[in-house]
Amino acid sequence: KNEVEQSPQNLTAQEGEFITINCSYSVGISALHWLQQHPGGGIVSLFMLSSGKKKHGRLIATINIQEKHSSLHITASHPRDSAVYICAVMSGGSEKLVFGKGTKLTVNP
Amino acid sequence: DVKVTQSSRYLVKRTGEKVFLECVQDMDHENMFWYRQDPGLGLRLIYFSYDVKMKEKGDIPEGYSVSREKKERFSLILESASTNQTSMYLCASSPPRGGGAVHEQYFGPGTRLTVT
Repeated sequence: KNEVEQSPQNLTAQEGEFITINCSYSVGISALHWLQQHPGGGIVSLFMLSSGKKKHGRLIATINIQEKHSSLHITASHPRDSAVYICAVMSGGSEKLVFGKGTKLTVNP
Repeated sequence: DVKVTQSSRYLVKRTGEKVFLECVQDMDHENMFWYRQDPGLGLRLIYFSYDVKMKEKGDIPEGYSVSREKKERFSLILESASTNQTSMYLCASSPPRGGGAVHEQYFGPGTRLTVT
């Protein structure tokens, strides 16, 4: 069983819809990262969080440490949000990330 | 802005060739990482370096080696390329954890390697 599970694997939405991507993990963590990867492109960090909630523009990330669960929300989705979204956790005193397999989001106009 | 660069975006090599993938970062980060990314498997760590000449095996080090002679440069070496090493290779760097602080990793653009 993977230490980091994401759902759904694939998600198709219409422009303007509210999007939620979920991430569950099985280990104790020091931080959780949400990453974005556009087709053919590199990976950029969207959020790094260890508690509560963070917001950047139309993106919101939340984490519940007790339930070992995080969500990434996109409000008023746009075709340019189409990308793969990856959840990754850093456990204990490690420098390394453990990655989920990603959620491929397609937003249609 | 942190910049992580990789020597090639696309590379085609023959089975049995020795392949070098280079990664350079300009932010004086101690930590550098090499990952491969495959459909359905996500990102997997090949090797990690936490200082010059210091390295640690990741989850899938077989068939790979690394070199870190200078702080800014981390090289991934495929000693004898095989077709199952066809993949996207991504390099990343980060500052070390210190005082309880955790830092994000900064990724390069990736090298898509095809071994024929």
